[in-house]
Amino acid sequence: AQSVTQPDIHITVSEGASLELRCNYSYGATPYLFWYVQSPGQGLQLLLKYFSGDTLVQGIKGFEAEFKRSQSSFNLRKPSVHWSDAAEYFCAVGAGGTSYGKLTFGQGTILTVHP
Amino acid sequence: SQTIHQWPATLVQPVGSPLSLECTVEGTSNPNLYWYRQAAGRGLQLLFYSVGIGQISSEVPQNLSASRPQDRQFILSSKKLLLSDSGFYLCAWSVTPEGSGGYTFGSGTRLTVV
Repeated sequence: AQSVTQPDIHITVSEGASLELRCNYSYGATPYLFWYVQSPGQGLQLLLKYFSGDTLVQGIKGFEAEFKRSQSSFNLRKPSVHWSDAAEYFCAVGAGGTSYGKLTFGQGTILTVHP
Repeated sequence: SQTIHQWPATLVQPVGSPLSLECTVEGTSNPNLYWYRQAAGRGLQLLFYSVGIGQISSEVPQNLSASRPQDRQFILSSKKLLLSDSGFYLCAWSVTPEGSGGYTFGSGTRLTVV
């Protein structure tokens, strides 16, 4: 079964600084990988996804992520953080195939942005 | 366009009372549907998923049940709520059957059992 680890529970950055949120997964084959963002009391919104092709994927709101098979990682990055990026971020992995589209989510990383 | 509706947004229920949360999807047919629960600081836990009418798979044993009476309707229920059932419940549908497209989530239901 697949699993996801987000090592950082809480990250604080200053507005305008760069951001990297870490995600490590465990799965025997090439997984489907996703990053979601959640504002307080809201559902989750898809930021970006990877399932094949170019290992650097671009998403909405200026985010990007890079799939590194050798490190089993899918870290999320943004060059310059805005105050509106403060939220909780979830990495997720899917096995595809006969898994019926089930996704396994990490524990989440809470991002605080200081002015 | 495809949308997903989930209600109610907030619910406060006494211990031992029944529960019914509803989720409906528009703009697609035969979607894969999922119920997740989110507890504070614990990420999202998959509770149930369904690949068709009347087809329900449970991921964890618990006090809850799910049903899919219509193609685009997914219901989460309980006969008697426990304190431990409190949490944020999210319904989702998979854009593609095998999951490569990710999920679209509903806006969630905050359930507090008192």
